[in-house]
Amino acid sequence: EVQLSESGGGLVQPGGSLRLSCAASGLTFSSHAMSWVRQAPGKGLEWVSSISGSGGNTYYADSVKGRFTISRDNSKNTLYLQMNSLRAGDTAVYYCAKNPSDTINYFDYWGQGTLVTVSS
Amino acid sequence: SYVLTQPPSVSVAPGQTARITCGGNNIESKSVHWSQQKPGQAPVVVIYFDSDRPSGIPERFSGSNSGNTATLTISRVEAGDEADYYCQVWDSSSDHVVFGGGTKLTVL
Repeated sequence: EVQLSESGGGLVQPGGSLRLSCAASGLTFSSHAMSWVRQAPGKGLEWVSSISGSGGNTYYADSVKGRFTISRDNSKNTLYLQMNSLRAGDTAVYYCAKNPSDTINYFDYWGQGTLVTVSS
Repeated sequence: SYVLTQPPSVSVAPGQTARITCGGNNIESKSVHWSQQKPGQAPVVVIYFDSDRPSGIPERFSGSNSGNTATLTISRVEAGDEADYYCQVWDSSSDHVVFGGGTKLTVL
């Protein structure tokens, strides 16, 4: 059974940094593109970033480009999101999501999310 | 950038049919995926590639995509279908995943 488990969320001051992790199990990790999707309190889903199975291709939403970096360690079955220059508008639950193949289309599995709060 | 437009809310009585639309410019040229999210839970895909249904999703859920509108149809609606529903595409012109704003389905 595929399981995705996010960690690393918490309270951070504006301008600060945080690194999220997503540990994956029950799948051939390197065969799947992976993504981060966030949801601000009471709001809808917002795509943040995606990465190919090899890690060679990365994609970012305009709202985070230049501030966030997605990466993966296929030897550890782990996805990361390095978040720098955080703003209040980045406050959200961050979900790790799996694509069914190495193509970025839909998300067939999601983690339970980790809450990031940016506040002074 | 590509925009997907959903109605904020749809209401339907139990046993009736709910139709949730997702509008986008020439959306029929893209593959549309639908996810269901219940309060406090992560989203779950209910329709992918316009009309395919994952195992475990009831046959009451179906999808279509034509022209500028994709539609998620839920037949014989049950109280347990009450949730937020999101359409989503991959926009290859911008290399972005795009979500619709979401539709809250209320079962009266």
